[in-house]
Amino acid sequence: RKEVEQDPGPFNVPEGATVAFNCTYSNSASQSFFWYRQDCRKEPKLLMSVYSSGNEDGRFTAQLNRASQYISLLIRDSKLSDSATYLCALKASGGYNKLIFGAGTRLAVHP
Amino acid sequence: DGGITQSPKYLFRKEGQNVTLSCEQNLNHDAMYWYRQDPGQGLRLIYYSQIVNDFQKGDIAEGYSVSREKKESFPLTVTSAQKNPTAFYLCASSQGGANEKLFFGSGTQLSVL
Repeated sequence: RKEVEQDPGPFNVPEGATVAFNCTYSNSASQSFFWYRQDCRKEPKLLMSVYSSGNEDGRFTAQLNRASQYISLLIRDSKLSDSATYLCALKASGGYNKLIFGAGTRLAVHP
Repeated sequence: DGGITQSPKYLFRKEGQNVTLSCEQNLNHDAMYWYRQDPGQGLRLIYYSQIVNDFQKGDIAEGYSVSREKKESFPLTVTSAQKNPTAFYLCASSQGGANEKLFFGSGTQLSVL
């Protein structure tokens, strides 16, 4: 089983829709979790960290479910500009600051 | 503006040739990383460095080498031993310690002629 798994998509949604992605992880000792956004052939950019209590940033909400070992990203009122690949990343406990990335979920928002 | 600069944006390698990818940061970050991204796959860690003059292998270090002689610079050499070098290479840096947020350069696309 991969350390981090994401549905590759694509998720094709109309503007204004609400869409949610999940990311499952296998290492229960994972400590820190993140969502990154990556546009085609560009670098990933940090979208938001994921906290145990859940957190929201505008139209974006991230949740962590430690019992079931997954994190989620909810996007409300989708915009055309939200079209991108969303990568989840996590840091295992101990040692150095190594982030493990999922392969990403592609979102395509259409008019 | 502070940031991470990777060069070149596109690079072509001939058979048996070593090539070096540049990564420079002016964020005063202690830690620097090199990742490789293949289509449909997540980023995989090649090498990382937590401090000047020190670096460690990541998950796929074979066929690659690095140096960290200066805090702001972390060049990656793709050697002829790397038989499948075509990929998108991303350099990143972080404050180190408890701050895990990575900041990425704009990437280098390496292709084999």
